[in-house]
Amino acid sequence: GESVGLHLPTLSVQEGDNSIINCAYSNSASDYFIWYKQESGKGPQFIIDIRSNMDKRQGQRVTVLLNKTVKHLSLQIAATQPGDSAVYFCPGGGKLIFGQGTELSVKP
Amino acid sequence: DTGVSQNPRHKITKRGQNVTFRCDPISEHNRLYWYRQTLGQGPEFLTYFQNEAQLEKSRLLSDRFSAERPKGSFSTLEIQRTEQGDSAMYLCASSRSGVLTDTQYFGPGTRLTVL
Repeated sequence: GESVGLHLPTLSVQEGDNSIINCAYSNSASDYFIWYKQESGKGPQFIIDIRSNMDKRQGQRVTVLLNKTVKHLSLQIAATQPGDSAVYFCPGGGKLIFGQGTELSVKP
Repeated sequence: DTGVSQNPRHKITKRGQNVTFRCDPISEHNRLYWYRQTLGQGPEFLTYFQNEAQLEKSRLLSDRFSAERPKGSFSTLEIQRTEQGDSAMYLCASSRSGVLTDTQYFGPGTRLTVL
């Protein structure tokens, strides 16, 4: 079955710095990948998605990169803010398999 | 903007009681999903509907759990004879099939505490 994992369970960055959250996947059949952000006590919030025929997609302050050769995704957050503190997940499309996520902490 | 809504937001019950949660999806979404999330873990898939048809159920969905979506709009998740291990956040998500990315949008969740 599909396995999606994150390299680091926690990531701490200084406010204003850029953040990079990495993700590996094993199911090459996924048509797209989604990044979710989950704040404490809330449901996951959609950030950005990327189809498997794309290498890069940009949103507001976020960029997702997809490397199909090594089955790797990354989420880059520019000028990280305290409001970005959350757990980030990168499930593949379809029946979502979340894994533990990466907890991003932003230091003021 | 009406997103996915879930009620109640919190439920405290005693072991052995039955509980029912409700999810109202985004109105134009035909797919509806239920997930369970425990502390420190990501959401785990339980079941999903396309319109009123329940198309898939996880092994996590024991016989004490039942989900319905009778008119293809809102859905209910019932847990019978609750156990302490059922304590978790129950999340609902909805999506629309037939688009390029079947992105799921989540509700705020119902937090269940079984005493």
